[in-house]
Amino acid sequence: DTEVTQTPKHLVMGMTNKKSLKCEQHMGHRAMYWYKQKAKKPPELMFVYSYEKLSINESVPSRFSPECPNSSLLNLHLHALQPEDSALYLCASSHEPRARNEQYFGPGTRLTVT
Amino acid sequence: GEDVEQSLFLSVREGDSSVINCTYTDSSSTYLYWYKQEPGAGLQLLTYIFSNMDMKQDQRLTVLLNKKDKHLSLRIADTQTGDSAIYFCAESLQTGANNLFFGTGTRLTVIP
Repeated sequence: DTEVTQTPKHLVMGMTNKKSLKCEQHMGHRAMYWYKQKAKKPPELMFVYSYEKLSINESVPSRFSPECPNSSLLNLHLHALQPEDSALYLCASSHEPRARNEQYFGPGTRLTVT
Repeated sequence: GEDVEQSLFLSVREGDSSVINCTYTDSSSTYLYWYKQEPGAGLQLLTYIFSNMDMKQDQRLTVLLNKKDKHLSLRIADTQTGDSAIYFCAESLQTGANNLFFGTGTRLTVIP
């Protein structure tokens, strides 16, 4: 099983809403990632969790709040977003933090902020 | 930050070979990867190569690495319409950090 699942598939939210994106993997991976991808651009790393601890935060605004409740789950809590935050949000996982770092991606959540 | 460049577009006829190129600047790259992204979907890992290798073949895919020139290529033999997608190269570095640095992506269009 090399599947990473993400819910919801699509999300439309207003600037005052609070919502959460969810990601799950059952491959025993100990590193999990959030990426943001704008149209026609490569993914941009937002956060990395290693062994359920936040190891990298790429200067992401505090309106994005990650959470790793256990080794299989990764959440991204959203609050007071801006229209420019509309993008595809991708979750990925890999075995553990190391140089050989095959990351397996989920299908993404298409977020629209109105 | 690391600079990973790709040409933006490539069109090929069905049945021909496709060659997608990538250049990178950081000589401490340890592994280099190729990902495929179909419209509206996540990224699918296609293959990877360790930096001390020159070539890796996996069915229709051949990866060539010229470490001296920091040039990576992906050749797809007998290209099919299902190969139409955006292809990203990515590198990971020797620092042990988790992150991948992605190229700008190449949109491959296969003409029937």
